[in-house]
Amino acid sequence: DAKTTQPTSMDCAEGRAANLPCNHSTISGNEYVYWYRQIHSQGPQYIIHGLKNNETNEMASLIITEDRKSSTLILPHATLRDTAVYYCIVRSAGGTSYGKLTFGQGTILTVHP
Amino acid sequence: NAGVTQTPKFQVLKTGQSMTLQCAQDMNHNSMYWYRQDPGMGLRLIYYSASEGTTDKGEVPNGYNVSRLNKREFSLRLESAAPSQTSVYFCASSPMGHINTGELFFGEGSRLTVL
Repeated sequence: DAKTTQPTSMDCAEGRAANLPCNHSTISGNEYVYWYRQIHSQGPQYIIHGLKNNETNEMASLIITEDRKSSTLILPHATLRDTAVYYCIVRSAGGTSYGKLTFGQGTILTVHP
Repeated sequence: NAGVTQTPKFQVLKTGQSMTLQCAQDMNHNSMYWYRQDPGMGLRLIYYSASEGTTDKGEVPNGYNVSRLNKREFSLRLESAAPSQTSVYFCASSPMGHINTGELFFGEGSRLTVL
């Protein structure tokens, strides 16, 4: 699975959009981009995933560049409860490997009042 | 909805003692996983079970054994605990199929300290 690079930490004001970048320059054609977050030592929580099209759900939006070498997770209106570690993960779909997510260091997002 | 339930939530062991971490899911998922997380680090996969009756090693399997008791339950055993196994352990499950979202559902974690 491709390696990802994320900033160590980011700040965001409450109510503003939080844009979390992720670089995955070695991603291959069958690999998806997944985002999870972990709030204060709780179990990680799935946010969103995508292959090449932009995706949106009730939690966030995922923007993937045309060359798929990077992506951005957008929390449109960040709240204090969005303070967490955000993990960007790239892995291939299907087969028995799809649960074997490789979690890196992630980005610590701090939302300020 | 219970989701993924782990027991115990906290445990303190002495070096050399053994113990089993229990995990159960009520979502009828085929695949289950055990991860560990050390302070300031991401999660590392210990073992996984793609389906009932099968188990495979992950990234850091040494010092652990697992049992997929049935479709619902996946246990992690430490036969002779070592201080290096002090960690937070997370169990997860996911559906298995031709098309899947890759979404893993995690438990709340079991915090283990080995003295």
